[in-house]
Amino acid sequence: AQRVTQPEKLLSVFKGAPVELKCNYSYSGSPELFWYVQYSRQRLQLLLRHISRESIKGFTADLNKGETSFHLKKPFAQEEDSAMYYCALSGHGGGADGLTFGKGTHLIIQP
Amino acid sequence: DAGVTQSPTHLIKTRGQHVTLRCSPISGHKSVSWYQQVLGQGPQFIFQYYEKEERGRGNFPDRFSARQFPNYSSELNVNALLLGDSALYLCASSLTGQGAQGPQHFGDGTRLSIL
Repeated sequence: AQRVTQPEKLLSVFKGAPVELKCNYSYSGSPELFWYVQYSRQRLQLLLRHISRESIKGFTADLNKGETSFHLKKPFAQEEDSAMYYCALSGHGGGADGLTFGKGTHLIIQP
Repeated sequence: DAGVTQSPTHLIKTRGQHVTLRCSPISGHKSVSWYQQVLGQGPQFIFQYYEKEERGRGNFPDRFSARQFPNYSSELNVNALLLGDSALYLCASSLTGQGAQGPQHFGDGTRLSIL
């Protein structure tokens, strides 16, 4: 069974400080990993996906297959980064398993 | 582009009733997925439909069913409602063709409350 674990329910950091949101997964194969973000009063939206290997809004995430992790990082947090962040996994079963989400981490950036 | 639209936004039902939730995908998207999000949890996969056929099903009872129409819109039906069905129901669409999942574009959801 596939599983995504986000160990931190709440993470509070000061503006300008580095941010790391942890995500660990369990999947017997090569999954595709995503980070989704939900800002206050907005819909859930894709932030980035591991196969793109891109930086969005200063955030990056590297897939570490050895540690089965996909942590989200940003060197300097900004107040507008405050949001709910979900790590998600997709297997390669033609969509049969859908996306498996973690429980989410509420990131608060303090001024 | 209006994005994924869902209706209604809020719904109140009583135990034992049935409910139908509706979703219109982004224009050009042929895949629709449904998720249930209980307070404090991440979304949980219910169904995926692609080209009007069910392509995936999550771990939900048979009281949950769905279908996709020729215009790619979709309905999620839940029968014999239980208190535990109270949740935010999210619809997501994607361009995904055959093969692995792609990025999902989510709607605002339907908030279902069971009394």
